[in-house]
Amino acid sequence: RKEVEQDPGPFNVPEGATVAFNCTYSNSASQSFFWYRQDCRKEPKLLMSVYSSGNEDGRFTAQLNRASQYISLLIRDSKLSDSATYLCVVNGDAGNMLTFGGGTRLMVKP
Amino acid sequence: ETGVTQSPTHLIKTRGQQVTLRCSSQSGHNTVSWYQQALGQGPQFIFQYYREEENGRGNFPPRFSGLQFPNYSSELNVNALELDDSALYLCASSLATSGVYNEQFFGPGTRLTVL
Repeated sequence: RKEVEQDPGPFNVPEGATVAFNCTYSNSASQSFFWYRQDCRKEPKLLMSVYSSGNEDGRFTAQLNRASQYISLLIRDSKLSDSATYLCVVNGDAGNMLTFGGGTRLMVKP
Repeated sequence: ETGVTQSPTHLIKTRGQQVTLRCSSQSGHNTVSWYQQALGQGPQFIFQYYREEENGRGNFPPRFSGLQFPNYSSELNVNALELDDSALYLCASSLATSGVYNEQFFGPGTRLTVL
């Protein structure tokens, strides 16, 4: 079983749609949680951190459920520029080692 | 731009050869982590260097080795290259402080092709 699991997609949605991505992680000792965005042939970039209380940044909302070891990302009012791969990332208990999921590909169509 | 640079941007090698990839960390950062990203997959942690010492290692064989220099730049060395080593190699720099996770900033990567 992979340490961080995501649905690879692709998710094909029209502009303006709301889309949700989910992720599960296996290491209950994980300390920090993130969503990264990766554009084609580019490096990953931090989209947002994820907290148990839930956090929102504009059109993006992230949520962590520690009991279920589940992380979510909600994107409202999708834009063409949101098309990318979204990586669920967990910081394990061994320093700053990031464990990445395989990524979920989003394609927003006109 | 993150201020993290990597060289070269692309590299083609043949099986059995050795390769050295380089990373310059962001100013003020003391930690460099290396990741391997195969096509269609998420990055996999190779190892991390903190103050010139290896500070954690993922599930990679010993032919993957590294160095960190006093200026905190870093090298990744891979010996006896195999076809499966073809991937995007990413380095990420961060400022490690005790007990606190700090964001890792990624460089643009080196795309290695092994023929």
